Formats: sequence, C-alpha cells, structure tokens
Amino acid sequence: GENVEQHPSTLSVQEGDSAVIKCTYSDSASNYFPWYKQELGKRPQLIIDIRSNVGEKKDQRIAVTLNKTAKHFSLHITETQPEDSAVYFCAASGTGTASKLTFGTGTRLQVTL
Amino acid sequence: EPEVTQTPSHQVTQMGQEVILRCVPISNHLYFYWYRQILGQKVEFLVSFYNNEISEKSEIFDDQFSVERPDGSNFTLKIRSTKLEDSAMYFCASGEWETQYFGPGTRLLVL
Repeated sequence: GENVEQHPSTLSVQEGDSAVIKCTYSDSASNYFPWYKQELGKRPQLIIDIRSNVGEKKDQRIAVTLNKTAKHFSLHITETQPEDSAVYFCAASGTGTASKLTFGTGTRLQVTL
Repeated sequence: EPEVTQTPSHQVTQMGQEVILRCVPISNHLYFYWYRQILGQKVEFLVSFYNNEISEKSEIFDDQFSVERPDGSNFTLKIRSTKLEDSAMYFCASGEWETQYFGPGTRLLVL
C-alpha cells in the first residue's frame, strides 16, 4: 500500500519568512495530493491540493509543487503569519471510487514574532 | 458554506461498551469516510463508503466496527465492544470525488 513520508516534523520560522514542507510517496499510481492544516483540537482543513497532471499550483501565499518522477511534493508558504502556526499534513490518494487518503506524519509549524 | 457535522463532540465509555458515532455529510456528496487520529499522531483511514456499501476498509476496521447510512443524511460508525486502544479522535469526511472535507471529530475516550 501507499506510504507517505513527511519532513520536517517541526519547523520554526520568523514572521515574514517562508516555510517549506516536503513529502514523498511510494505508490506511483497515486495522483491526487492534498494538504491539510490542523489547528489544535480542530478538524483537518483542506488548504490546497494538486493533481498529477499539474506540476505546480498556487493560491495566494500558498503553493504546492509535484515531481511525479521523484514521487515528491512540497508545500511552500510565503510571508508567514502567526495564524499560519498549526500542524500541516500532506496526503496522497488515487482517483478511483472513494479513494482513501494516506497521510504523512505531520509538520508542526511555529511562526514566531 | 456547507460543512460536515459530527455528534457527539466527546464520548466517554467503559471498555466493552458499544458506541455509535454520528456524521452528517455535505448534502450533495457521494463518498463518505471514517478516519481516526490517536493523540499526537497522523490521521489514519478506517473505511470508505459509496453507493450504500463499503468501498474499502483498513486493517484497523475489524469485525468490531461497522458503518451504516440509515437515511439520506446520516452516516454512522459503530464500535461494538470498545477497547482501551480505540481511544482516539474519529473524523468523518465526505467528498464528491477525490477532494475530502472533514468534520470536527468525536473525541472518544475508553476507560
């Protein structure tokens, strides 16, 4: 089955700096890669996703890149703000009927003033 | 904006008791899921449900677990005889295709 590795486990950046979180996946059949933000005690919230026919996607301060050959995808947050502090999870799935998400282990991002 | 809802938000139960966790998916979604998250760990897939039947289940989803869509709106997860290791946050999710939207979760504590 699919295995998703995520690094780093913790990341501390100063407000205004950029943050990068990286994930690798094992199953070449995976072709959908969402990123979720989870604040303490809250639900995972979808912030951006990318499909395998696209190499990069951007939404304001957030971007995701995908390298299918290397089975690698990354989340980039620019101009970080204190409210970006949370745990971020990457995930991977196929696109079959009701495909499950396989999550990475999470990255705790701390944005300091 | 419509959201997935779940009840109860917290449930405390004794080992061996049955619990039912309830979810109301987003109304036009066709795919339904249950995940769990043990404190401090990643989210783990339990089961997916489409067209009134289970599409896929994980190794965690053993005979003690069952899912049901008893009417047009609710989606339930039943644990027949809870164990201490079932203590976790249980998330329901729903989606139209690949994209999945999560509910707020039910925190289950088994004593």
